Amino acid sequence: GQQLNQSPQSMFIQEGEDVSMNCTSSSIFNTWLWYKQDPGEGPVLLIALYKAGELTSNGRLTAQFGITRKDSFLNISASIPSDVGIYFCAGQNNYGQNFVFGPGTRLSVLP
Amino acid sequence: DTGVSQDPRHKITKRGQNVTFRCDPISEHNRLYWYRQTLGQGPEFLTYFQNEAQLEKSRLLSDRFSAERPKGSFSTLEIQRTEQGDSAMYLCASSLQQAYYGYTFGSGTRLTVV
Repeated sequence: GQQLNQSPQSMFIQEGEDVSMNCTSSSIFNTWLWYKQDPGEGPVLLIALYKAGELTSNGRLTAQFGITRKDSFLNISASIPSDVGIYFCAGQNNYGQNFVFGPGTRLSVLP
Repeated sequence: DTGVSQDPRHKITKRGQNVTFRCDPISEHNRLYWYRQTLGQGPEFLTYFQNEAQLEKSRLLSDRFSAERPKGSFSTLEIQRTEQGDSAMYLCASSLQQAYYGYTFGSGTRLTVV
């Protein structure tokens, strides 16, 4: 089946630093989503991307839909303690099909 | 609307027992999904409904698992003869048709089989 890879698997950063993470696939996707999950909770949607090359921001978060349609990137600027959590990417081949989720990037922010 | 609700939040059961979880989606969403998440992994698709019709089931959904959405509103996921390998977070999500804006997830039901 389809698989997504996320890099890095985990990261420790200092508060105030910028963060970059990515998601890659062997398949082409039409839609990319980025979610954040706090411990013991369900994932919460951060950003949705619909077109190759698209760059979308949500506050301090910026995500890009890769040109090849096989990858996506998420950047967090000026990290704060509440950014701690697991960030998942999810891709959809065709509208109406189910989303496939990556294994996640675990972010820890040190004060 | 309070979003997607799941009940119970936590369930501890002995191996071999049956368990049932409930999900109440966002009222105007006609699609409802069940995902399973094990520690350190992303959510894995189990099954989804469009209204009351179950349209797809993953091969992860063994014959001990059954899901229903009888009137196209809430859904139940039942696991019969639970095994320790069933221990996981069971996530429910809902969306409008085509899921163009992605899914809205509930807080999940954490199942522990002892």
